[in-house]
Amino acid sequence: AQSVTQLGSHVSVSEGALVLLRCNYSSSVPPYLFWYVQYPNQGLQLLLKYTSAATLVKGINGFEAEFKKSETSFHLTKPSAHMSDAAEYFCAVYNAGNNRKLIWGLGTSLAVNP
Amino acid sequence: NAGVTQTPKFQVLKTGQSMTLQCAQDMNHNSMYWYRQDPGMGLRLIYYSASEGTTDKGEVPNGYNVSRLNKREFSLRLESAAPSQTSVYFCASSSLGTGGEAFFGQGTRLTVV
Repeated sequence: AQSVTQLGSHVSVSEGALVLLRCNYSSSVPPYLFWYVQYPNQGLQLLLKYTSAATLVKGINGFEAEFKKSETSFHLTKPSAHMSDAAEYFCAVYNAGNNRKLIWGLGTSLAVNP
Repeated sequence: NAGVTQTPKFQVLKTGQSMTLQCAQDMNHNSMYWYRQDPGMGLRLIYYSASEGTTDKGEVPNGYNVSRLNKREFSLRLESAAPSQTSVYFCASSSLGTGGEAFFGQGTRLTVV
């Protein structure tokens, strides 16, 4: 069965510091991987996705993630945090065996301190 | 450019009342979903419709029913609301079957008293 683990339910960084949000997955077949962001009182929006092309994926707002098959990881990074990055971040996995359902991690709440 | 539209945005129900949450998408997606989001529990799938004409239970279907009215619309019904159904509900649609992604509505904040 597929699963997604996000390490750290809360992460706090200083403005200008590196953001690293961790995601590990399990999948018996090559997966599609996604990061979504949820700002307060809003729906989720796609940050970036990996669909078996380049292993380093660039997304919106300066975020990127690297697919590492050997580590079954898809960690999200941003070189320099901005106050506006404070939000909830969700990692998700999909493959063709899921009948078009995403499998979600529990989310990581990112706080950015001035 | 509407994407996924959910109504209502807020609702307060008394225990035992019924209501239907409406969802419509204008992206011609085959698949649609209903999730609930509770603190510390992430997104939990209630029901989904992989394609028009089909619906399937997700992780937490008890107390809910759905209708895939047509390709655009997917409604969620609470027949007899309970306080445990107090949550934020999200509708989503996707083109995952063809290598796309999921798009979400803005959510419905439901309180059952």
